[in-house]
Amino acid sequence: QKEVEQDPGPLSVPEGAIVSLNCTYSNSAFQYFMWYRQYSRKGPELLMYTYSSGNKEDGRFTAQVDKSSKYISLFIRDSQPSDSATYLCAMSAVNQFYFGTGTSLTVIP
Amino acid sequence: DGGITQSPKYLFRKEGQNVTLSCEQNLNHDAMYWYRQDPGQGLRLIYYSQIVNDFQKGDIAEGYSVSREKKESFPLTVTSAQKNPTAFYLCASATLWPGSNSGELFFGEGSRLTVL
Repeated sequence: QKEVEQDPGPLSVPEGAIVSLNCTYSNSAFQYFMWYRQYSRKGPELLMYTYSSGNKEDGRFTAQVDKSSKYISLFIRDSQPSDSATYLCAMSAVNQFYFGTGTSLTVIP
Repeated sequence: DGGITQSPKYLFRKEGQNVTLSCEQNLNHDAMYWYRQDPGQGLRLIYYSQIVNDFQKGDIAEGYSVSREKKESFPLTVTSAQKNPTAFYLCASATLWPGSNSGELFFGEGSRLTVL
């Protein structure tokens, strides 16, 4: 079983839709939870960073962490064509980082 | 601007050659990492370093070597022993746990290596 599971998609939505991206994990030692956006042929860009359980909002993006269920989510409101990218979830414990395989998202104008 | 600089962005190598990928950071991070990214496989850890002159193997270290002579620099050498080196290579850095924001990992723009 992988440490982090993420549906690879691809996911295709119309402009303005609400997008929900999810990851599950198995290691209860994870303390930090991150979401990255990666455009083609570019390095991943850190979007959201959360410590422990709860919600964090930044503009159109909301990250949720449910440690009891070992489940994290990223919501994108009012999705834009510029949101088309691959989204990676990541989590860490004591200087080690673990990544999902990424979900490919396309927002259609 | 603070960040991580990788060079070159694109590199072509003939079989049997060693190549070195550069990674420099000015974020004052202690920990630095090298990952390999292949389509459909996610990120795989090659090597990491938490302090100058010390580094540890990751999951796929065979055929790679690194050095950490300065805090800011963590170059990766892809040797001729690496059987399938064509890939996208990503360098990253972070504050050591349990420091402030130690869960934040920042990436460079990547280096794409192609073996001819």
